[in-house]
Amino acid sequence: KAGVTQTPRYLIKTRGQQVTLSCSPISGHRSVSWYQQTPGQGLQFLFEYFSETQRNKGNFPGRFSGRQFSNSRSEMNVSTLELGDSALYLCASSAGLNTGELFFGEGSRLTVL
Amino acid sequence: SQELEQSPQSLIVQEGKNLTINCTSSKTLYGLYWYKQKYGEGLIFLMMLQKGGEEKSHEKITAKLDEKKQQSSLHITASQPSHAGIYLCGADSSGGYQKVTFGTGTKLQVIP
Repeated sequence: KAGVTQTPRYLIKTRGQQVTLSCSPISGHRSVSWYQQTPGQGLQFLFEYFSETQRNKGNFPGRFSGRQFSNSRSEMNVSTLELGDSALYLCASSAGLNTGELFFGEGSRLTVL
Repeated sequence: SQELEQSPQSLIVQEGKNLTINCTSSKTLYGLYWYKQKYGEGLIFLMMLQKGGEEKSHEKITAKLDEKKQQSSLHITASQPSHAGIYLCGADSSGGYQKVTFGTGTKLQVIP
């Protein structure tokens, strides 16, 4: 069974640009969550989608958005990038039944210059 | 909002030694997860504890949940270099909708 796939793995952007990150969950998983990890703030929840609907949202500005497609693949977008957006963005999938086990991808490392 | 504090923040142990990592919650724990992360990579699920007093083991790693103390501990017996990484505790803070709050993390180094 293929794991969670995130693309791209690494990217460099400049301030003011926007970025789109992609996540393909494990086959059959309908829940996709996104997390931001930085040395200062640790791992912080961004949002979670289940069957194309956003069920939960973390405490991030509106520049951070996401969506989920009918095949459960998800994208997140960050507009007007700031230096502080440099982070490892992790995607996790689950069956969405609160089993507790999230399956994480390897992450997309974003550097904003 | 729920906060999870882990201690210690970092740990360096000699191979073969035992160690314990603690996770303390600011609110009542209804479920507690432990994950391991290798630097710059994704997290790997270790185990989930749901009931007070519950104890689970996986290979040489044992975790316990103390609901009254709002605390969980992760114990590694006879540590090996393969145990090195960052250990994170997490709690479901949304009542069942996969919104997990993670702890501050404990970085473990095992010296051969």
